[in-house]
Amino acid sequence: DAKTTQPPSMDCAEGRAANLPCNHSTISGNEYVYWYRQIHSQGPQYIIHGLKNNETNEMASLIITEDRKSSTLILPHATLRDTAVYYCIVRVANAGGTSYGKLTFGQGTILTVHP
Amino acid sequence: SAVISQKPSRDICQRGTSLTIQCQVDSQVTMMFWYRQQPGQSLTLIATANQGSEATYESGFVIDKFPISRPNLTFSTLTVSNMSPEDSSIYLCSVGFSGRGGWEQFFGPGTRLTVL
Repeated sequence: DAKTTQPPSMDCAEGRAANLPCNHSTISGNEYVYWYRQIHSQGPQYIIHGLKNNETNEMASLIITEDRKSSTLILPHATLRDTAVYYCIVRVANAGGTSYGKLTFGQGTILTVHP
Repeated sequence: SAVISQKPSRDICQRGTSLTIQCQVDSQVTMMFWYRQQPGQSLTLIATANQGSEATYESGFVIDKFPISRPNLTFSTLTVSNMSPEDSSIYLCSVGFSGRGGWEQFFGPGTRLTVL
């Protein structure tokens, strides 16, 4: 699986948009970009994923660059409850390979939302 | 989505003993995974547990230390054997399947293990 690079920490004011970057310059054509977050003492929570098109759901938006080498997770109106570690993961999509289904976690970005 | 529960939620154990962690899912899933999260660290995959086959372990993890059972499509157990303080971690169960949006993977709440 391709390696990802994220800033170790970021701050955001409550009510503002939080933009979390992720570099995945070695991503291959069959790898998706996934975002999870982990609030203290809980299991990781799925946020969003995409292949090459931008995606939006009730939690966030995912912007993937045209060359797919980087992406940005956007939380449009951050709240204090969004304080968490955010993980950007790339994962193979093809069934049958030995790495199918695996999610390899990096160190993530600690997002702190302050009042 | 899938709702995953784990038992116990936390435990404090003595060195040299073993603990079995249970994972229950509210729907049938083919692929289940066990992860470990050591204090202050990210998640590390221990093994993949598919029903009807032996678990596949990642580098650095062996069956004698972390035996896994997968008796059906909604349940799995992970045993942490002959524990030492270095095994103090959060152990997380995860399930994955192909949904409408492609591959979907969800995590349980974790089991916080402290070994004295």
